[in-house]
Amino acid sequence: DAKTTQPPSMDCAEGRAANLPCNHSTISGNEYVYWYRQIHSQGPQYIIHGLKNNETNEMASLIITEDRKSSTLILPHATLRDTAVYYCIVRGYGSGNTGKLIFGQGTTLQVKP
Amino acid sequence: NAGVTQTPKFQVLKTGQSMTLQCAQDMNHNSMYWYRQDPGMGLRLIYYSASEGTTDKGEVPNGYNVSRLNKREFSLRLESAAPSQTSVYFCASSEGRVSQHFGDGTRLSIL
Repeated sequence: DAKTTQPPSMDCAEGRAANLPCNHSTISGNEYVYWYRQIHSQGPQYIIHGLKNNETNEMASLIITEDRKSSTLILPHATLRDTAVYYCIVRGYGSGNTGKLIFGQGTTLQVKP
Repeated sequence: NAGVTQTPKFQVLKTGQSMTLQCAQDMNHNSMYWYRQDPGMGLRLIYYSASEGTTDKGEVPNGYNVSRLNKREFSLRLESAAPSQTSVYFCASSEGRVSQHFGDGTRLSIL
């Protein structure tokens, strides 16, 4: 599975969009980009995932560059409850791959009033 | 709809004691995982089970054993606990490209 690089911390004002970047320059063609977050040492929570097209759900949007070497998670209107550690994970599928996740250090997002 | 249930939520052990952490999921997922998380760190995979009857080592398997009892249950055993195993332990399950669902964790302290 490809390695990811994220900034260690970011701040965002409440009500504004939070844009969390992730670099995954060694991503291969069958690998997806997943985003999870962890609030107060609770179990990680799935946010969104994508392969090459941009994706949107009720929680966030995921923008993946055309070369797939980087992506951005967008929380459109951040609230105080979005303060968490956000993990960007690249995960492969196919025969021989069991879908296990490799967590890095993530980005600590602090949403401020 | 419980999802992934871990027991116990908290435990304190003495060095050398043994303990089994329990995990059960009700989503009919084939794959299950055990992670540990040390303070200020991301999660690290201990063991996983791609399907009932199979288990494989992850990044940090030393000092642990696992049992995939059936499709629902995946237990983690510490045979002789050491202070270095003080951590928060998370169990997760998944199916195909479906995202992994995590339990609330077991906070384990070893004195």
